[in-house]
Amino acid sequence: AQSVTQLDSQVPVFEEAPVELRCNYSSSVSVYLFWYVQYPNQGLQLLLKYLSGSTLVKGINGFEAEFNKSQTSFHLRKPSVHISDTAEYFCAVSATYGGATNKLIFGTGTLLAVQP
Amino acid sequence: ETGVTQTPRHLVMGMTNKKSLKCEQHLGHNAMYWYKQSAKKPLELMFVYNFKEQTENNSVPSRFSPECPNSSHLFLHLHTLQPEDSALYLCASSQEYGNEQFFGPGTRLTVL
Repeated sequence: AQSVTQLDSQVPVFEEAPVELRCNYSSSVSVYLFWYVQYPNQGLQLLLKYLSGSTLVKGINGFEAEFNKSQTSFHLRKPSVHISDTAEYFCAVSATYGGATNKLIFGTGTLLAVQP
Repeated sequence: ETGVTQTPRHLVMGMTNKKSLKCEQHLGHNAMYWYKQSAKKPLELMFVYNFKEQTENNSVPSRFSPECPNSSHLFLHLHTLQPEDSALYLCASSQEYGNEQFFGPGTRLTVL
C-alpha cells in the first residue's frame, strides 16, 4: 500500500523569499502525485499533478514540483512567495497498476505561513 | 453553476437532531467521495461511490448514512451525532475512481 509523508507541519517564511514544502511517498508500483492547496474555510484546490513525462511540473500561482523517483519525493517549490500564499498544502499519491488507479492517499498537510 | 457545490456551508445541530448534507457536481464525473477534516488530524476518507455504487466505507459509524441517487448528487444523512463529529465535511468528485479529485467548499458542522 502507498503512503505519503509531509515532514513539516508548519513552514514560516518571509514574503518574497523562496520556499520548499517537502513530500515523500512510498509505493511498490507506479504512482500519480498531486499537490493541493486549502485556503481558510475553503475546500481543496489542485495546484499541480504529475502523471507521466517530464519530472518538473508547473502549476498554478507560480508553484512547481519535481518528481524524483530515486528519492521517492515530490517537493513543492516557489521562488518568491506572497502573503496570499498563506494556506495549508497537501501532497497526495495514488498507485497505478494494470491500467487502473487506486484511491488518493493524502499527507497530513503543511501550513505555509508567509510573514511580511 | 460549475464545479462541486455543497449545502449548507455551515450547520449547527444538537445531538438528537437529524440533518442532511448535500453535494452536487456539475462535471460529469463518475466517482464521488465524502471526507471528514478535523483540526490537527489528517483528511479522513469516509465513503466512496463509483457509478452510484458504494465501493468504500472506512469504518464510519452508522450515525452517518450516505446516499447517492445519481452520479451527480451525493448526500450524507446525519442522526444522533456526537460533539466529536464536529468537523469540516468535504465532498469531492473525479472522472474515474483514483483520478484527480475536485473538491467542494465543505460544510462546517458543529454538534452541540
